Amino acid sequence: DADVTQTPRNRITKTGKRIMLECSQTKGHDRMYWYRQDPGLGLRLIYYSFDVKDINKGEISDGYSVSRQAQAKFSLSLESAIPNQTALYFCATSEGYEQYFGPGTRLTVT
Amino acid sequence: KQEVTQIPAALSVPEGENLVLNCSFTDSAIYNLQWFRQDPGKGLTSLLLIQSSQREQTSGRLNASLDKSSGRSTLYIAASQPGDSATYLCAVLNTGFQKLVFGTGTRLLVSP
Repeated sequence: DADVTQTPRNRITKTGKRIMLECSQTKGHDRMYWYRQDPGLGLRLIYYSFDVKDINKGEISDGYSVSRQAQAKFSLSLESAIPNQTALYFCATSEGYEQYFGPGTRLTVT
Repeated sequence: KQEVTQIPAALSVPEGENLVLNCSFTDSAIYNLQWFRQDPGKGLTSLLLIQSSQREQTSGRLNASLDKSSGRSTLYIAASQPGDSATYLCAVLNTGFQKLVFGTGTRLLVSP
């Protein structure tokens, strides 16, 4: 089984809908991250969490919120989806200085 | 603000060639540098991680070097194979803030 899993893997939603992307890990790491990837822009950090009670905004947090339900679970929410949030979303974990990535969620907002 | 640049953006080579991918970064205050591989529509696979105190790391046909003072890293792939076709990303972990800053990647195509 994969160490970092993301659900759903693909999602199409309409403008204005609320959507949640979920991430689970079995690595036992305290640190978790959400990134988005857009063509030509690389990966950009949305939110990160160093433990269950420590959540921080990344460089592009506007329009997103997160919840760290447990050490193993970190969810990303789009309260009111808009088309420019169409992207590939990645969850990652780390303990120390190496990060491990999930398989990604491809989100399309129409 | 840390910026990471990868050159070239795309590279096409015949099978068997040795090749070099380049990564440069603007702020030398880094903990480490990581090279990742990304296959289309898939997640990121970590290939090599070089600590800031190291000069290079090797794994099989891959060798990554780091020159922190000049803000450069190279990924050397020996005897390329069609299975090496993917996008290669480099990322640096800044001191203090603990977040990765990614380059935009090099898309590699190795033809049989």
